[in-house]
Amino acid sequence: GAGVSQSPSNKVTEKGKDVELRCDPISGHTALYWYRQSLGQGLEFLIYFQGNSAPDKSGLPSDRFSAERTGGSVSTLTIQRTQQEDSAVYLCASSLDGTRAYEQYFGPGTRLTVT
Amino acid sequence: KQEVTQIPAALSVPEGENLVLNCSFTDSAIYNLQWFRQDPGKGLTSLLLIQSSQREQTSGRLNASLDKSSGRSTLYIAASQPGDSATYLCAVDPNTGNQFYFGTGTSLTVIP
Repeated sequence: GAGVSQSPSNKVTEKGKDVELRCDPISGHTALYWYRQSLGQGLEFLIYFQGNSAPDKSGLPSDRFSAERTGGSVSTLTIQRTQQEDSAVYLCASSLDGTRAYEQYFGPGTRLTVT
Repeated sequence: KQEVTQIPAALSVPEGENLVLNCSFTDSAIYNLQWFRQDPGKGLTSLLLIQSSQREQTSGRLNASLDKSSGRSTLYIAASQPGDSATYLCAVDPNTGNQFYFGTGTSLTVIP
């Protein structure tokens, strides 16, 4: 079946511009995670959605970052006024539910480069 | 805050050799631990998930063990193949909060 998909696969943007990254989780998965992977660093948690509950935004690094999940499915991560330190691979993952008895399945990521 | 460490950072072995990758974590209050592989420029592929009540999980040539009390997990790869070359990441799901904590990975190269 279809896995987690993300778009675009690559994004180059100028400093100061806004960007939107999209994640389509596996159908039926209610839990969705966004992570950021910088060069030489481990994965950094950004935000977690579970069903219709309020998202856990505790990992967002600044108020320039926001995310939403429409209809409990597709999610969009928005970065406003991008900075060079935002350059990273942004990974999305979904899981069957939030009980954490199930594995996370990752998308291929969006490589963001801020020039 | 949970900290996850993976040693070694890089490992190079000849084809056919058995090998062990290590993952350690500072807080033993975990819900589960998951091992992933990441190929260059790709996302993460789940390999094994070990619940906190389990001691090990096996899938083909892979065996993952968990010693929660000592804060350690190992991933054993038997009869390594060049196709096993990738970065291997472990992730810990703590009892509290929603985020998983990832190690920085071990980059494995299997030489034909």
